[in-house]
Amino acid sequence: AQKVTQAQTEISVVEKEDVTLDCVYETRDTTYYLFWYKQPPSGELVFLIRRNSFDEQNEISGRYSWNFQKSTSSFNFTITASQVVDSAVYFCALSEVNRGSTLGRLYFGRGTQLTVWP
Amino acid sequence: DTEVTQTPKHLVMGMTNKKSLKCEQHMGHRAMYWYKQKAKKPPELMFVYSYEKLSINESVPSRFSPECPNSSLLNLHLHALQPEDSALYLCASSQEPPGGSYNEQFFGPGTRLTVL
Repeated sequence: AQKVTQAQTEISVVEKEDVTLDCVYETRDTTYYLFWYKQPPSGELVFLIRRNSFDEQNEISGRYSWNFQKSTSSFNFTITASQVVDSAVYFCALSEVNRGSTLGRLYFGRGTQLTVWP
Repeated sequence: DTEVTQTPKHLVMGMTNKKSLKCEQHMGHRAMYWYKQKAKKPPELMFVYSYEKLSINESVPSRFSPECPNSSLLNLHLHALQPEDSALYLCASSQEPPGGSYNEQFFGPGTRLTVL
């Protein structure tokens, strides 16, 4: 079963539009971490945010914001006033803490390709 | 210094060649990782080193051989690869070993490998 689901394969928006990337996760652990990474065409995965399972506070960093809701097992990512430079593949990932052989490994979603048009 | 470096950026090799990919980090991180990423797919974990010891091998074929000479360096030795091994190979490091509190992984730019 997929531990991290990013249902949106591709999203296209025009510059200055707001866009939300969805992420739904599945875990039986009580302690886990959630991440978002950005992968521009250059290939490097850029770390954006880490959130632990005990911290449900939403976070804002400039034009980026994250909405973590344990009740719906979601960790959505919103870009406000999108820019062309935001065009990239965005991955949501889950890391479980309490499971033996899978300890700490990152489970990635399939990624969402975001294209921002000028 | 908050980056992970990888060399080479691009590599083309024949199926009989032997080559190595190199990864370096100077952040004092205790864990290092190799991932393989095919086009339009998420990265797939290959190996994890914690405190310079191999802790996870995701049943990777023996034609891929990892090596961690010291806490800052990670190599991936390649031998007798197949065309289907062509992919982007990403190295990553994290402050804590897998499962630790500060386990966000920082990735290098990757090596684009083509096997002819």
